[in-house]
Amino acid sequence: GQQLNQSPQSMFIQEGEDVSMNCTSSSIFNTWLWYKQDPGEGPVLLIALYKAGELTSNGRLTAQFGITRKDSFLNISASIPSDVGIYFCAGQLRSNYQLIWGAGTKLIIKP
Amino acid sequence: DAMVIQNPRYQVTQFGKPVTLSCSQTLNHNVMYWYQQKSSQAPKLLFHYYDKDFNNEADTPDNFQSRRPNTSFCFLDIRSPGLGDAAMYLCATSRDNDEQFFGPGTRLTVL
Repeated sequence: GQQLNQSPQSMFIQEGEDVSMNCTSSSIFNTWLWYKQDPGEGPVLLIALYKAGELTSNGRLTAQFGITRKDSFLNISASIPSDVGIYFCAGQLRSNYQLIWGAGTKLIIKP
Repeated sequence: DAMVIQNPRYQVTQFGKPVTLSCSQTLNHNVMYWYQQKSSQAPKLLFHYYDKDFNNEADTPDNFQSRRPNTSFCFLDIRSPGLGDAAMYLCATSRDNDEQFFGPGTRLTVL
């Protein structure tokens, strides 16, 4: 099925570094969602974006809804060990229940 | 705290032996979803209930059925599990087409 282009696929970073990941699509969306999934757990909603150009923060996390409505990025500042996991973006049309998912970005912190 | 609960967290069944997974929610959301997720891939929507209305995705095998006896509970029935059905099964809820909140998942093993 349709999928968003999410990059990078994985990231190896040092504790304390900033992290950036993004999603792009050929289609426009009304909503962009960012989820984090820990091993063996369900995805947890981090940030929801509803307006083109919107910039939203949640603690050390910042996400933006691209002005063209076809992309979004997520930044994590000053990474800590508990940030490891898989981050998924998802796009949604307001009239539709269905989420279109990215393939995920696996974040690994180097010891 | 309002939440989505899934039981059991781990389920082992035998090839061909019917199994039921359960989901309950205290969010009072009118929409409930079942997803299948395999090995760090994005979740794949199987079906959802919009209030009492059942909506099956076109590519969901007939082997998968669902019941929603009331607003709070939803069940996933796998009539004859095959080895390929081993996966994480995620329940999610939303209010109408708003953002979806996920439960912790049930890891299904098929022997």
